[in-house]
Amino acid sequence: DAMVIQNPRYQVTQFGKPVTLSCSQTLNHNVMYWYQQKSSQAPKLLFHYYDKDFNNEADTPDNFQSRRPNTSFCFLDIRSPGLGDAAMYLCATSRDRDYNEQFFGPGTRLTVL
Amino acid sequence: GEDVEQSLFLSVREGDSSVINCTYTDSSSTYLYWYKQEPGAGLQLLTYIFSNMDMKQDQRLTVLLNKKDKHLSLRIADTQTGDSAIYFCAESMDSNYQLIWGAGTKLIIKP
Repeated sequence: DAMVIQNPRYQVTQFGKPVTLSCSQTLNHNVMYWYQQKSSQAPKLLFHYYDKDFNNEADTPDNFQSRRPNTSFCFLDIRSPGLGDAAMYLCATSRDRDYNEQFFGPGTRLTVL
Repeated sequence: GEDVEQSLFLSVREGDSSVINCTYTDSSSTYLYWYKQEPGAGLQLLTYIFSNMDMKQDQRLTVLLNKKDKHLSLRIADTQTGDSAIYFCAESMDSNYQLIWGAGTKLIIKP
């Protein structure tokens, strides 16, 4: 089945220790998104890749970076995690940027100690 | 700016119908979506409706759109325990890749 996969499902890191979250997709979609979701809140878009073109949201902290080495994979790097970065991180894809139906992965729950 | 609003909680008895409501402010919305999120999981697209439609039905789900009042609803017939989740309403516009999200409605099923 075509899908969006996120690894790991649960990640624990220490305050200030860099961490990388992974997303892969078998849908062959052009667009990949990273969202941050805190408890009982709506997802907040951090950035997205349209093919190889990186698009950062204006209020995304510099502490968050992303890489998309190929169509299938996208990574979220948190350079120096703070306690406030503990959240669920959701990866999503869409066929194209003007086709807004988004398909989500199961998420990675990040804990910062 | 754009805004999407939902009630935070809805409690229904198993077997009854659930109606989750959503209001939005931007009249240029093109698509309106309903996503379901079970505890600790990602978001699952349940259904969506194009803005030139009034109603869409898919098995137990019925979506109603009132463009004049900017009101969207999701009706779940014969609500089951597996329907317990948070339901997010979201809108999008042709000119913008972003989804504008509501805060989510937690559906609680009483036995």
